Amino acid sequence: AQSVTQLGSHVSVSEGALVLLRCNYSSSVPPYLFWYVQYPNQGLQLLLKYTTGATLVKGINGFEAEFKKSETSFHLTKPSAHMSDAAEYFCAVTVFSGGYNKLIFGAGTRLAVHP
Amino acid sequence: GAVVSQHPSRVICKSGTSVKIECRSLDFQATTMFWYRQFPKQSLMLMATSNEGSKATYEQGVEKDKFLINHASLTLSTLTVTSAHPEDSSFYICSEGGTDTQYFGPGTRLTVL
Repeated sequence: AQSVTQLGSHVSVSEGALVLLRCNYSSSVPPYLFWYVQYPNQGLQLLLKYTTGATLVKGINGFEAEFKKSETSFHLTKPSAHMSDAAEYFCAVTVFSGGYNKLIFGAGTRLAVHP
Repeated sequence: GAVVSQHPSRVICKSGTSVKIECRSLDFQATTMFWYRQFPKQSLMLMATSNEGSKATYEQGVEKDKFLINHASLTLSTLTVTSAHPEDSSFYICSEGGTDTQYFGPGTRLTVL
């Protein structure tokens, strides 16, 4: 069965520092992988996704993620954190179930950015 | 991506009442919509898949008689929490799922007193 593990429920970085949010998945088929961001009391906004093709995926707000099949990972990075990046980040994998492509989410990582 | 709206954004109700939440796909005809529930500081849990013109399919453990879903058109799905109780207080989020990517609504905060 597909599942997603996000290592670290809380990550704190300084403004300007590298952001690294970890995501590992398990899937019996080639996965579709996603990163979403959630600001307080809001829905989820798609940051980026991997379906097929290039394994390094660039998203919005300077984020990118690399699909590494051998490591079953899809870590999210950003070279330089900004205060506005403080939010909850969710990694997700698609599972085909009951005739639909459903999303399985990780537990989430709360990113704090301090001056 | 698709634009999805939800109404209301916040609702407070008394225990025992029913609450209806609307989810609209504003720029895309959504045959399929998904409903999620998110408890504080937790991840999203899929409740059900809403299908235009047919019955919704519910995830294991979700009471279909308590969470009524109607998807009467390609742009509107509704979730009605019937006889709400304080334990139903949560953040309810819908998404449009017609492609390989889901686009989410802004969510509805339900508080049951």
